Amino acid sequence: TAGITQAPTSQILAAGRSMTLRCTQDMRHNAMYWYRQDLGLGLRLIHYSNTAGTTGKGEVPDGYSVSRANTDDFPLTLASAVPSQTSVYFCASRRDRGNDGELFFGEGSRLTVL
Amino acid sequence: AQSVTQLDSQVPVFEEAPVELRCNYSSSVSVYLFWYVQYPNQGLQLLLKYLSGSTLVKGINGFEAEFNKSQTSFHLRKPSVHISDTAEYFCAVTPNTGGFKTIFGAGTRLFVKA
Repeated sequence: TAGITQAPTSQILAAGRSMTLRCTQDMRHNAMYWYRQDLGLGLRLIHYSNTAGTTGKGEVPDGYSVSRANTDDFPLTLASAVPSQTSVYFCASRRDRGNDGELFFGEGSRLTVL
Repeated sequence: AQSVTQLDSQVPVFEEAPVELRCNYSSSVSVYLFWYVQYPNQGLQLLLKYLSGSTLVKGINGFEAEFNKSQTSFHLRKPSVHISDTAEYFCAVTPNTGGFKTIFGAGTRLFVKA
């Protein structure tokens, strides 16, 4: 089972350019999340979506936007990248059955903004 | 709001020795508690979780954790570690009513030495 697929795996981006990180899941989970991982800070929530058609802001939403047109896809867009957005980005989904909050993660997208 | 504090950023330990990774949390509402493990260049995967009931929970790879409500702690333990346990470990909390926005600690890097 694929689970969550993220693309690209790695990307170098010039400051000021835009970039979309793709996330697709095949588990039909309603809730999806974007986190960024930085050394010493753990994972911080950027945006989330509880179901298709709805999104919400997490702890560090500035400079990022998301959309949720359907259940499977949850892209993250950086409209004008800055060096402080250099990070590893993880997409995750939450299993609906049992409703216990367990998250399933993709392999991550490493973004470097120069 | 919730917060998670992992008290050790790095824990070096010899193979076959016991280990404890410490986690304290704060929350104004009831939460579910999780430990996730991240192996190098991979996403996070669930190690174990506490939802309710018995305060001692067992997870994969011989790990266990004990929920202590009075001390708001959820420390992770393993009686005998292996080289393959070398990884980053994250403690996380999720409110058990609505939203399910998971908050992570900063992580503890476990380094098992031969």
